[in-house]
Amino acid sequence: KQEVTQIPAALSVPEGENLVLNCSFTDSAIYNLQWFRQDPGKGLTSLLLIQSSQREQTSGRLNASLDKSSGRSTLYIAASQPGDSATYLCAVRPRETSGSRLTFGEGTQLTVNP
Amino acid sequence: DAGVTQSPTHLIKTRGQQVTLRCSPKSGHDTVSWYQQALGQGPQFIFQYYEEEERQRGNFPDRFSGHQFPNYSSELNVNALLLGDSALYLCASSLVGTGRKYEQYFGPGTRLTVT
Repeated sequence: KQEVTQIPAALSVPEGENLVLNCSFTDSAIYNLQWFRQDPGKGLTSLLLIQSSQREQTSGRLNASLDKSSGRSTLYIAASQPGDSATYLCAVRPRETSGSRLTFGEGTQLTVNP
Repeated sequence: DAGVTQSPTHLIKTRGQQVTLRCSPKSGHDTVSWYQQALGQGPQFIFQYYEEEERQRGNFPDRFSGHQFPNYSSELNVNALLLGDSALYLCASSLVGTGRKYEQYFGPGTRLTVT
């Protein structure tokens, strides 16, 4: 059974700091991995999707890496801003021929202080 | 281009009642998945619908049922509500076979409170 763990559970940083969020998964047989952002009481916004054959993806100040063999992914946020405050979730899709269910971690709650 | 929409936004029900939540997928998408997110937890997969059939199911009792319509919209039904069913219910849509490799797009969710 796939299990996804995110460390740390919560993180508070001053504005402008570079930071790394960690995600680990127990079964390396994945199809892809997605990072999401969730504001309080809201739905999920997809930030980055990494296919199992890729090593990293970048979007603006965000960079996500994937090491499938070790079951790890990191989300790097450069020059953090107060507007980045949210919960960040990673999710993996199993390597199945049908279906697209995601298994989520419990998230990292990020607070960026002005 | 309309994203994933869900209705209602909030709902309050009493134990033992039944509830129906609705989801319209992103334009052009054909697959709908439902997730339950308890407070402070990550979303948990309930089930997925494609071509009007349930294709995958998570570890949820059969009190949870669903339906997909020919226009790809979907409903989630929960019978005999329990206090523990209180959660944010999220709908996600995707397109089978797309170049974006099943990337899922989520709606804003329906907040269900059971009293």
